[in-house]
Amino acid sequence: KAGVTQTPRYLIKTRGQQVTLSCSPISGHRSVSWYQQTPGQGLQFLFEYFSETQRNKGNFPGRFSGRQFSNSRSEMNVSTLELGDSALYLCASSRLTGAPVDTQYFGPGTRLTVL
Amino acid sequence: TQLLEQSPQFLSIQEGENLTVYCNSSSVFSSLQWYRQEPGEGPVLLVTVVTGGEVKKLKRLTFQFGDARKDSSLHITAAQPGDTGLYLCAGGRGIYNQGGKLIFGQGTELSVKP
Repeated sequence: KAGVTQTPRYLIKTRGQQVTLSCSPISGHRSVSWYQQTPGQGLQFLFEYFSETQRNKGNFPGRFSGRQFSNSRSEMNVSTLELGDSALYLCASSRLTGAPVDTQYFGPGTRLTVL
Repeated sequence: TQLLEQSPQFLSIQEGENLTVYCNSSSVFSSLQWYRQEPGEGPVLLVTVVTGGEVKKLKRLTFQFGDARKDSSLHITAAQPGDTGLYLCAGGRGIYNQGGKLIFGQGTELSVKP
């Protein structure tokens, strides 16, 4: 069974540009979550999508947005990039069975560098 | 606001030594998960604990969830170089874990030297 895939793996952008990252969840998983990982702040929750709807959102500015498609694939977009947006962006998928705990499976991440 | 405090942040030990990593919070979590992350990869789930006082063992790794479900520990016996990596604890909130909204600790960077 293929794992969570993220594209691209590496990205270099300049300040003011925008970027779109893509995530394909494990087949059958309907929930996709996005996290930002930096050395200073660690892993921080961005947002979660389920059935094409945003269910949860973290404390990030409106420049960070996302969406989910009918096949559960998800994209996140960052507009007007700032130097501080340089980070590893991780996507995680889960099946969401309704059980008290649903395992999240992470992709390898997209390393974004903003110059 | 960092709801989960992990300690220590860095740990460098010799092969064969034992170690314990702590994850503490003033908040109650419905579940506590431990992940290990290697450079260039995403976190990989090691274990999930959901019951206060629960202890789980995974070969040389022992995980414990505090009675009040506010803290957890990871103990590694006879560490090996292959244990090197970033260890992360993550707490889930709410009855159904609120889906993807995990709250992560800062992580413990473990280095095991041969």
